[in-house]
Amino acid sequence: SQTIHQWPATLVQPVGSPLSLECTVEGTSNPNLYWYRQAAGRGLQLLFYSVGIGQISSEVPQNLSASRPQDRQFILSSKKLLLSDSGFYLCAWSVRNERDTQYFGPGTRLTVL
Amino acid sequence: GEDVEQSLFLSVREGDSSVINCTYTDSSSTYLYWYKQEPGAGLQLLTYIFSNMDMKQDQRLTVLLNKKDKHLSLRIADTQTGDSAIYFCAESIGGSYIPTFGRGTSLIVHP
Repeated sequence: SQTIHQWPATLVQPVGSPLSLECTVEGTSNPNLYWYRQAAGRGLQLLFYSVGIGQISSEVPQNLSASRPQDRQFILSSKKLLLSDSGFYLCAWSVRNERDTQYFGPGTRLTVL
Repeated sequence: GEDVEQSLFLSVREGDSSVINCTYTDSSSTYLYWYKQEPGAGLQLLTYIFSNMDMKQDQRLTVLLNKKDKHLSLRIADTQTGDSAIYFCAESIGGSYIPTFGRGTSLIVHP
């Protein structure tokens, strides 16, 4: 069966520090991968998605970046965090078919102080 | 453009039925989904319905789709306190890779 992992689960970082969040998927090949941010426990904002290794599409211009160094690994990064980067970051994957059903990881709670 | 709308809150008494509503704008939607998010957790897929269906039932969950009005609903029978969560409606257009999510409905179940 497929599983998706995210770490860390919780992170507190000072303003201006770098960020690296990792997401890995097991039990499937060639998944579509996604990063979302959820602020204040509400709606999902799509940040990045990837349909293959090295292929990243950005939905929202900001100081975040994403990389996909391996088929089932998706990394969200920042060189300098802002206060507004605080939120709940969710990684998701989907099978490349018409249904596009997304399966979500457990999330990372990021607090920037 | 695509838009998915949900009411923000719903409060029900334990044992009653809950009905969470969602409207969408894109008539070319092929799949519609309901996700559940418990506090501090990721989204869990509850169920989905293909756009050529009117209804889908899975144990206590019933999904109704009115394509003419672009209205989707999730009915939870015999609502329990463990059903308290945020419920997200989402639509996808086949092969677009990116479903559109509503903002979520907070379901509060009280004794």
